[in-house]
This record gives sequence, C-alpha cells and structure tokens, in this order.
Amino acid sequence: QVQLVQSGAEVRKPGASVKVSCKTFGYTFTSFDVNWVRQAPGQGLEWMGWMSPNSGDTGFAQKFQGRITMTRNTSITTAYMELHSLTSEDTAVYYCARDLKYGDPGGFWGQGSLVTVSS
Amino acid sequence: QSVLTQPPSASGTPGQRVTISCSGSSSNIGTNSVKWYQQLPGTAPKLLIYSDNQRPSGVPDRFSGSKSGTSASLAISGLQSEDEADYYCAAWDDSLSDLYVFGTGTKVTVL
Repeated sequence: QVQLVQSGAEVRKPGASVKVSCKTFGYTFTSFDVNWVRQAPGQGLEWMGWMSPNSGDTGFAQKFQGRITMTRNTSITTAYMELHSLTSEDTAVYYCARDLKYGDPGGFWGQGSLVTVSS
Repeated sequence: QSVLTQPPSASGTPGQRVTISCSGSSSNIGTNSVKWYQQLPGTAPKLLIYSDNQRPSGVPDRFSGSKSGTSASLAISGLQSEDEADYYCAAWDDSLSDLYVFGTGTKVTVL
C-alpha cells in the first residue's frame, strides 16, 4: 500500500537550515507530485510548495521563495524539503503529501516531522 | 492569512447534519476545484473530497461536497462522534502569490 515515511524531529537554532525527508513506498515515485504542508502549534494548514519527482520541477508559496528547496532522489524514492534561515516562526509540524491524482494534493500523507527552532 | 474563509466552529448532536462553508474568490474556488480535508486530533490530514464533490475510496458517503460560484460547502450527514475533527477546504489559486491555498479551518464538535 502507499506509504510516506518522514524523518524524525529536529531542533535548530535561529538562522540555521533543516532538511526533512519523505521516503515513499507502494507506488511509482515519479508518477505523482509531492506537496509539502506545515502546521504551526495550534494553527491551521499552510501550503509550502510542490515538486514533480519526474522532472524535478517545483513551485513555492511566495512567502517561502528564496529560502526553500525541494529535491528528490529517484533511486531511493525519497523527496526532500529544505528550509533555510529559520526563525521561531518556522516551528511547526511539516508534512509531505502525495497527490491522489494529478492536481489533487494530499491523497496520501506522511506522519509529519516536528521542527523546533529555538535558541 | 488564508484567502479561503471558513467558520471557526460548527457543532451538532449525533445523527444530525452539519454543514461547513468555504468562501473564496474568482482566482481559486471560482476557477478551480475544491478539496476538503479532515484532521483528527494529533494526526495528519486526510483527503475527504476532491473535484468539488468526489470521495476517495474508503470515505463514507455521509460526507458530501458542493460548490457554487466562489463558495463551497462540506456536509456531514448522520454525524458521528468520530467526526469530531478539524476540517479544511483548499483549492489551487491562479494568483501570483500562493499556488495552493487552504481555508482557515473549522472545528467540528459532536455534542
């Protein structure tokens, strides 16, 4: 069955970077886009961006432009999201999610990765 | 700040019908299909509705979606205790700032 397994919790200091991985199982990795969504404590869902594992094409929410990268390693069916120049406002649970079908994000979700930014 | 507006809360007793609204604009709901997600406490979101009114495999038919103009709605019929969760609408947006936008979220309480 389709599974997305994310890397564990991370603690970073302000100004640092964090890279979250999303290992996928149970489907052809290059056939479905991966989106990244975050949720700050007690807050709603916030879309960060998408990546095509096939082409490597990406698209990001404007607020993250310039400090986010999304990459993939097709040989190990893993997607990555790296966020730079962290501040306390980046403390959140970060989710990867596979499209249900093209254009429908969030058909399958990872378990989430807590990133805490604290001095 | 989300561009899709939902009421912060909704409630009902078991068996009742609850409806959640989602208000957007011509660049998102007015042009693109709406999705709805359910997030149970402490868990990842789950896709409930896509393409305005389609249910993924395994989602009970108690959940239904509709859209009219720049607004959409999620209805939960025969409310059950396990439906107590946060619900989010979402849609692709054709404006330049955010490509995909979530609603503000609605907490559904089963009384």
